[in-house]
Amino acid sequence: NAGVTQTPKFRILKIGQSMTLQCAQDMNHNYMYWYRQDPGMGLKLIYYSVGAGITDKGEVPNGYNVSRSTTEDFPLRLELAAPSQTSVYFCASSYSENEQFFGPGTRLTVL
Amino acid sequence: QKEVEQNSGPLSVPEGAIASLNCTYSDRVSQSFFWYRQYSGKSPELIMSIYSNGDKEDGRFTAQLNKASQYVSLLIRDSQPSDSATYLCAVDSGSARQLTFGSGTQLTVLP
Repeated sequence: NAGVTQTPKFRILKIGQSMTLQCAQDMNHNYMYWYRQDPGMGLKLIYYSVGAGITDKGEVPNGYNVSRSTTEDFPLRLELAAPSQTSVYFCASSYSENEQFFGPGTRLTVL
Repeated sequence: QKEVEQNSGPLSVPEGAIASLNCTYSDRVSQSFFWYRQYSGKSPELIMSIYSNGDKEDGRFTAQLNKASQYVSLLIRDSQPSDSATYLCAVDSGSARQLTFGSGTQLTVLP
């Protein structure tokens, strides 16, 4: 199993541009999550999904959108990128008992 | 707002010593507690989970939970330089197995 995969690993965006961060898992996990981590900080939940077709907002959803058309994939869309969205983005998945497994992350810089 | 507080550190211990990491949480109904290790530039990795009051041991790691005091800790015995990392405390915080993370404690084990 590849676990949780994320692409791209790094990206530089200009202010106002848009992009999609990809996340996929091959563990047949129902639950998937998107977090952002700013330097020296913990993880903040952006969006989560409890299964295909079902998504909900987390603590910091503004400026982001998600979709979940399949169990495996959970892309995160950034519209009109802003410098405040410069961060490291982690995708995670979970099957039971809250134990979440994380992808390698995407480091995004908005200039 | 549900909060998870950790000593920000940094914490330095000599090789072979016991490292003690502490975490308090605000939500009395939380039932699941986790410790993640995060090496610099890497994604969080689950190292311990605990669900019941008391101690749980796994190799050199011991997690301790006291729900009455809303306190969870992680002890690392015989600390090694390879244990140098940031340790994140996470607590379940609602439906869909969401987790709230603390900001992390940076541990350095000195050879």
